[in-house]
Amino acid sequence: SAVISQKPSRDICQRGTSLTIQCQVDSQVTMMFWYRQQPGQSLTLIATANQGSEATYESGFVIDKFPISRPNLTFSTLTVSNMSPEDSSIYLCSVVPVRDTEAFFGQGTRLTVV
Amino acid sequence: KQEVTQIPAALSVPEGENLVLNCSFTDSAIYNLQWFRQDPGKGLTSLLLIQSSQREQTSGRLNASLDKSSGRSTLYIAASQPGDSATYLCAVRPSSNYQLIWGAGTKLIIKP
Repeated sequence: SAVISQKPSRDICQRGTSLTIQCQVDSQVTMMFWYRQQPGQSLTLIATANQGSEATYESGFVIDKFPISRPNLTFSTLTVSNMSPEDSSIYLCSVVPVRDTEAFFGQGTRLTVV
Repeated sequence: KQEVTQIPAALSVPEGENLVLNCSFTDSAIYNLQWFRQDPGKGLTSLLLIQSSQREQTSGRLNASLDKSSGRSTLYIAASQPGDSATYLCAVRPSSNYQLIWGAGTKLIIKP
């Protein structure tokens, strides 16, 4: 299993600013993912965070808007840049631990852009 | 392209009832299937993981089954309680990669 600490848990931000979300895992993980969940919707994958290299983004998401870092096997950050009210969502970090097949999630970051 | 469907979208039942949530998927080439619970505004809690070679998994009052050939999974909740109220999400991991394909969820309300 894996215990994930995701920070901040929530924030209210002004449009045009940026927010960096952190995801810290208590053990080494094979895969780390970032998801967005818009109000009333299911989860949409933003990108796969790759250790030591550029993240792999899904269609509709770009690095300039959602830069991601993953400096090691237990930590990643997602930045939501130049925010607009349409970015108001829950952002979720997910991991698959080494020698495991189950996916685990952080508690999410509830972002409101005003 | 794998698609995951959850029925019903919402369900409201009195406390104490047994209930079944359904998840169907279009491509049987899956690695595993997970059921998650999400409370409003929160992250996801993994409930049960079923590997492609397994038929069912149980945890307390929860039982999940998998029929790969028909592309179906069910989550059975016995003796429901108000604390079970949440959105339940089903996610399929394809055989080819680590990404999860998500259903839209079933919003469950258990009335005291």
